[in-house]
Amino acid sequence: QVQLQESGPGLVKPSETLSLTCTVSRGSISSYYWSWIRQPPGEGLEWIAYIYYSGSTNYNPSLKSRVTTSVDTTKNQVSLKLTSVTAADTAVYYCARIGRSVAGTGFFDYWGQGTLVTVSS
Amino acid sequence: QSALTQPASVSGSPGQSITISCTGTSSDVGGYSFVSWYQHHPGKAPKLMIYDVSNRPSGVSNRFSGSKSGNTASLTISGLQAEDEADYYCSSWRSGSTYVFGTGTKVTVL
Repeated sequence: QVQLQESGPGLVKPSETLSLTCTVSRGSISSYYWSWIRQPPGEGLEWIAYIYYSGSTNYNPSLKSRVTTSVDTTKNQVSLKLTSVTAADTAVYYCARIGRSVAGTGFFDYWGQGTLVTVSS
Repeated sequence: QSALTQPASVSGSPGQSITISCTGTSSDVGGYSFVSWYQHHPGKAPKLMIYDVSNRPSGVSNRFSGSKSGNTASLTISGLQAEDEADYYCSSWRSGSTYVFGTGTKVTVL
């Protein structure tokens, strides 16, 4: 069974860059799309971005100007960078695999446990 | 990017059936067959319960079922059990090749 593990600093200062890595184990990163999703404390889930193993990406329009995601197939890792963070970016950040069905790629079938990132000075 | 609309809370007694709605627009829920549902126990990873509107992944109880009519999708939990108490989120593909989640529904088993 595919396993995903997010890692990165748990505390980031305002105006700095949040950087997270998702390591995929027990499965290959190839041939799938991978996504980042976050959940601010007490709020709902918010989709951030996705990336194909080949490197093509798409981002949430509300975050697009500050977000970058990348993939390293040699390390089986996906990364997220969010610039100019504020307290509003405090959240649990999840990485997830986008599943495939006969119909297409419209769901998230494997998720990491999530990592809490707090933005504070 | 506006979220899909779900009721904040739904409750039911053990053994009863409950339904959670997820309302979007023709640009997301109504326009595509890519609605999925997730069960989320606080502190744990969300779990896929339904994909492509009405399909259950292997291992998910058949007490969970999904449907869609127009711009509104629904998740029904039949034979409600204590372990079903959790937050539930819908998600949909949206035009522009993006994804959007619902506002979330807290299910309480009375």
